[in-house]
Amino acid sequence: GAGVSQTPSNKVTEKGKYVELRCDPISGHTALYWYRQSLGQGPEFLIYFQGTGAADDSGLPNDRFFAVRPEGSVSTLKIQRTERGDSAVYLCASSLRAGPDTQYFGPGTRLTVL
Amino acid sequence: DAKTTQPNSMESNEEEPVHLPCNHSTISGTDYIHWYRQLPSQGPEYVIHGLTSNVNNRMASLAIAEDRKSSTLILHRATLRDAAVYYCIPQAGGTSYGKLTFGQGTILTVHP
Repeated sequence: GAGVSQTPSNKVTEKGKYVELRCDPISGHTALYWYRQSLGQGPEFLIYFQGTGAADDSGLPNDRFFAVRPEGSVSTLKIQRTERGDSAVYLCASSLRAGPDTQYFGPGTRLTVL
Repeated sequence: DAKTTQPNSMESNEEEPVHLPCNHSTISGTDYIHWYRQLPSQGPEYVIHGLTSNVNNRMASLAIAEDRKSSTLILHRATLRDAAVYYCIPQAGGTSYGKLTFGQGTILTVHP
Protein backbone atom coordinates (compact mmCIF):
# COMPACT_ATOMS: atom_id res chain seq x y z
CA GLY A 1 0.00 0.00 0.00
CA ALA A 2 0.96 3.66 -0.24
CA GLY A 3 3.34 4.90 2.40
CA VAL A 4 3.92 8.40 3.72
CA SER A 5 4.75 10.81 0.93
CA GLN A 6 6.38 14.21 1.16
CA THR A 7 6.63 16.99 -1.38
CA PRO A 8 8.80 18.46 -2.63
CA SER A 9 11.70 16.05 -2.25
CA ASN A 10 14.13 18.96 -2.50
CA LYS A 11 13.60 22.65 -1.93
CA VAL A 12 16.19 25.37 -2.42
CA THR A 13 15.27 28.84 -1.26
CA GLU A 14 16.91 32.11 -0.38
CA LYS A 15 17.33 33.52 3.10
CA GLY A 16 14.24 35.42 4.17
CA LYS A 17 11.79 33.57 1.93
CA TYR A 18 8.70 31.62 2.99
CA VAL A 19 8.43 27.86 2.34
CA GLU A 20 5.76 25.20 2.71
CA LEU A 21 6.50 21.50 3.02
CA ARG A 22 3.71 18.98 2.53
CA CYS A 23 3.11 15.58 4.08
CA ASP A 24 0.55 12.97 2.99
CA PRO A 25 0.22 10.37 5.73
CA ILE A 26 -0.91 6.78 5.39
CA SER A 27 -4.68 6.70 4.93
CA GLY A 28 -6.51 6.19 8.21
CA HIS A 29 -3.60 7.21 10.42
CA THR A 30 -4.80 9.68 13.02
CA ALA A 31 -1.40 10.75 14.36
CA LEU A 32 1.11 12.73 12.29
CA TYR A 33 4.59 13.86 13.29
CA TRP A 34 7.17 16.29 11.96
CA TYR A 35 10.90 15.89 12.65
CA ARG A 36 13.98 17.73 11.44
CA GLN A 37 17.33 16.08 10.78
CA SER A 38 20.59 17.98 10.43
CA LEU A 39 23.61 16.37 8.84
CA GLY A 40 25.16 13.70 11.04
CA GLN A 41 22.47 13.98 13.70
CA GLY A 42 19.43 11.91 14.62
CA PRO A 43 15.98 13.28 13.80
CA GLU A 44 14.71 15.97 16.17
CA PHE A 45 11.02 16.16 17.06
CA LEU A 46 9.12 19.30 16.03
CA ILE A 47 5.38 18.75 16.43
CA TYR A 48 2.73 16.09 16.39
CA PHE A 49 -0.97 16.09 15.56
CA GLN A 50 -3.73 13.89 16.85
CA GLY A 51 -6.45 14.42 14.28
CA THR A 52 -6.63 18.10 13.39
CA GLY A 53 -5.15 19.46 16.59
CA ALA A 54 -1.51 19.88 17.56
CA ALA A 55 -1.10 17.64 20.61
CA ASP A 56 2.51 18.62 21.25
CA ASP A 57 4.34 21.49 19.53
CA SER A 58 7.15 21.71 22.06
CA GLY A 59 9.82 20.99 19.46
CA LEU A 60 9.10 23.95 17.17
CA PRO A 61 12.25 26.09 17.50
CA ASN A 62 10.57 29.51 17.29
CA ASP A 63 7.52 31.32 15.98
CA ARG A 64 8.80 31.25 12.39
CA PHE A 65 7.71 27.62 12.28
CA PHE A 66 4.06 26.66 12.05
CA ALA A 67 2.22 23.51 11.01
CA VAL A 68 -1.39 22.77 10.17
CA ARG A 69 -3.52 19.71 9.52
CA PRO A 70 -6.94 21.21 8.78
CA GLU A 71 -8.83 18.05 7.79
CA GLY A 72 -6.94 15.53 9.86
CA SER A 73 -5.06 14.08 6.92
CA VAL A 74 -2.54 16.12 4.90
CA SER A 75 -0.26 18.39 6.89
CA THR A 76 1.78 21.42 5.87
CA LEU A 77 4.85 22.69 7.71
CA LYS A 78 5.33 26.39 7.10
CA ILE A 79 8.56 28.28 7.69
CA GLN A 80 8.61 32.08 7.51
CA ARG A 81 11.68 34.26 6.96
CA THR A 82 13.93 31.26 6.40
CA GLU A 83 17.46 31.32 7.78
CA ARG A 84 20.53 29.34 6.70
CA GLY A 85 20.31 27.37 9.95
CA ASP A 86 16.93 26.01 8.84
CA SER A 87 18.69 23.90 6.21
CA ALA A 88 17.99 20.25 7.05
CA VAL A 89 15.94 17.24 6.02
CA TYR A 90 12.37 17.58 7.25
CA LEU A 91 10.79 14.21 7.96
CA CYS A 92 7.13 13.41 8.37
CA ALA A 93 5.76 10.26 10.01
CA SER A 94 2.31 8.90 10.73
CA SER A 95 0.91 6.24 13.03
CA LEU A 96 -2.47 4.64 13.46
CA ARG A 97 -2.83 6.29 16.87
CA ALA A 98 -0.65 8.41 19.09
CA GLY A 99 1.37 6.76 21.83
CA PRO A 100 3.70 3.80 21.34
CA ASP A 101 2.29 2.82 17.94
CA THR A 102 4.79 2.26 15.12
CA GLN A 103 5.61 5.44 13.24
CA TYR A 104 5.99 5.20 9.47
CA PHE A 105 8.32 7.77 8.00
CA GLY A 106 8.32 9.47 4.64
CA PRO A 107 11.50 9.99 2.59
CA GLY A 108 11.85 13.58 3.78
CA THR A 109 12.18 16.98 2.16
CA ARG A 110 15.70 18.34 1.90
CA LEU A 111 15.54 22.10 2.50
CA THR A 112 18.51 24.23 1.55
CA VAL A 113 18.50 27.91 2.47
CA LEU A 114 21.10 29.91 0.55
CA ASP B 1 12.94 11.63 28.40
CA ALA B 2 15.18 8.70 29.30
CA LYS B 3 18.80 9.08 28.17
CA THR B 4 20.36 6.40 25.99
CA THR B 5 23.95 5.38 25.34
CA GLN B 6 24.89 3.46 22.19
CA PRO B 7 28.26 2.75 20.57
CA ASN B 8 29.01 5.25 17.82
CA SER B 9 29.76 2.48 15.33
CA MET B 10 29.98 -1.28 14.91
CA GLU B 11 31.09 -3.58 12.13
CA SER B 12 30.00 -7.02 11.06
CA ASN B 13 30.54 -9.48 8.26
CA GLU B 14 27.71 -10.58 6.05
CA GLU B 15 25.70 -13.57 7.35
CA GLU B 16 27.10 -13.23 10.86
CA PRO B 17 24.99 -12.29 13.89
CA VAL B 18 25.13 -8.72 15.17
CA HIS B 19 24.40 -7.61 18.72
CA LEU B 20 23.71 -3.88 19.06
CA PRO B 21 23.70 -2.73 22.71
CA CYS B 22 21.86 0.17 24.28
CA ASN B 23 22.00 1.50 27.84
CA HIS B 24 18.92 3.32 29.11
CA SER B 25 19.50 3.40 32.86
CA THR B 26 17.01 6.24 33.50
CA ILE B 27 14.10 4.48 31.80
CA SER B 28 10.80 4.62 33.66
CA GLY B 29 8.67 1.60 34.37
CA THR B 30 6.11 2.39 31.68
CA ASP B 31 8.51 3.33 28.85
CA TYR B 32 8.54 1.06 25.84
CA ILE B 33 11.91 0.39 24.19
CA HIS B 34 11.77 1.02 20.47
CA TRP B 35 14.42 0.39 17.83
CA TYR B 36 14.37 2.17 14.52
CA ARG B 37 16.95 2.16 11.76
CA GLN B 38 17.76 4.59 9.01
CA LEU B 39 19.25 3.46 5.74
CA PRO B 40 21.26 6.01 3.74
CA SER B 41 19.11 8.77 2.23
CA GLN B 42 15.88 7.33 3.64
CA GLY B 43 13.56 8.09 6.53
CA PRO B 44 13.82 5.93 9.66
CA GLU B 45 12.00 2.61 9.67
CA TYR B 46 10.62 0.66 12.59
CA VAL B 47 12.53 -2.47 13.61
CA ILE B 48 11.07 -3.78 16.86
CA HIS B 49 9.82 -2.72 20.29
CA GLY B 50 9.21 -4.26 23.70
CA LEU B 51 8.35 -3.47 27.29
CA THR B 52 9.67 -6.22 29.56
CA SER B 53 9.84 -9.54 27.74
CA ASN B 54 12.18 -10.44 24.92
CA VAL B 55 10.57 -9.98 21.50
CA ASN B 56 11.09 -11.54 18.10
CA ASN B 57 9.88 -10.52 14.66
CA ARG B 58 10.91 -11.23 11.09
CA MET B 59 13.57 -8.51 11.16
CA ALA B 60 15.26 -8.96 14.52
CA SER B 61 15.11 -9.98 18.16
CA LEU B 62 15.11 -7.68 21.17
CA ALA B 63 16.62 -8.84 24.42
CA ILE B 64 15.68 -6.67 27.42
CA ALA B 65 17.65 -6.90 30.65
CA GLU B 66 15.69 -7.93 33.71
CA ASP B 67 16.19 -4.51 35.32
CA ARG B 68 15.29 -2.84 31.98
CA LYS B 69 18.34 -0.59 32.16
CA SER B 70 19.74 -2.01 28.94
CA SER B 71 18.64 -3.85 25.84
CA THR B 72 20.26 -5.53 22.85
CA LEU B 73 19.03 -5.63 19.29
CA ILE B 74 20.01 -8.87 17.61
CA LEU B 75 20.24 -9.29 13.86
CA HIS B 76 20.62 -13.03 13.40
CA ARG B 77 22.30 -12.96 10.00
CA ALA B 78 23.47 -9.57 8.82
CA THR B 79 23.04 -8.70 5.16
CA LEU B 80 24.46 -5.78 3.21
CA ARG B 81 20.99 -4.23 3.34
CA ASP B 82 21.23 -4.05 7.14
CA ALA B 83 23.94 -1.37 6.92
CA ALA B 84 22.24 1.60 8.57
CA VAL B 85 22.14 3.81 11.66
CA TYR B 86 20.31 2.02 14.47
CA TYR B 87 18.48 4.06 17.10
CA CYS B 88 17.36 2.82 20.51
CA ILE B 89 14.48 4.97 21.78
CA PRO B 90 12.64 4.70 25.09
CA GLN B 91 9.13 6.03 24.62
CA ALA B 92 6.53 6.77 27.26
CA GLY B 93 3.41 4.67 27.11
CA GLY B 94 -0.10 6.09 26.94
CA THR B 95 -1.85 7.79 24.06
CA SER B 96 -0.76 11.26 25.11
CA TYR B 97 2.88 10.61 24.37
CA GLY B 98 3.76 10.33 20.70
CA LYS B 99 7.16 11.82 20.01
CA LEU B 100 10.29 9.79 19.49
CA THR B 101 13.50 11.21 20.93
CA PHE B 102 16.37 10.06 18.71
CA GLY B 103 19.94 10.02 19.96
CA GLN B 104 23.06 9.66 17.82
CA GLY B 105 22.50 5.98 17.14
CA THR B 106 24.98 3.28 16.11
CA ILE B 107 26.33 3.23 12.58
CA LEU B 108 26.43 -0.42 11.49
CA THR B 109 28.79 -1.34 8.68
CA VAL B 110 28.37 -4.77 7.08
CA HIS B 111 31.29 -6.20 5.13
CA PRO B 112 30.73 -8.65 2.26
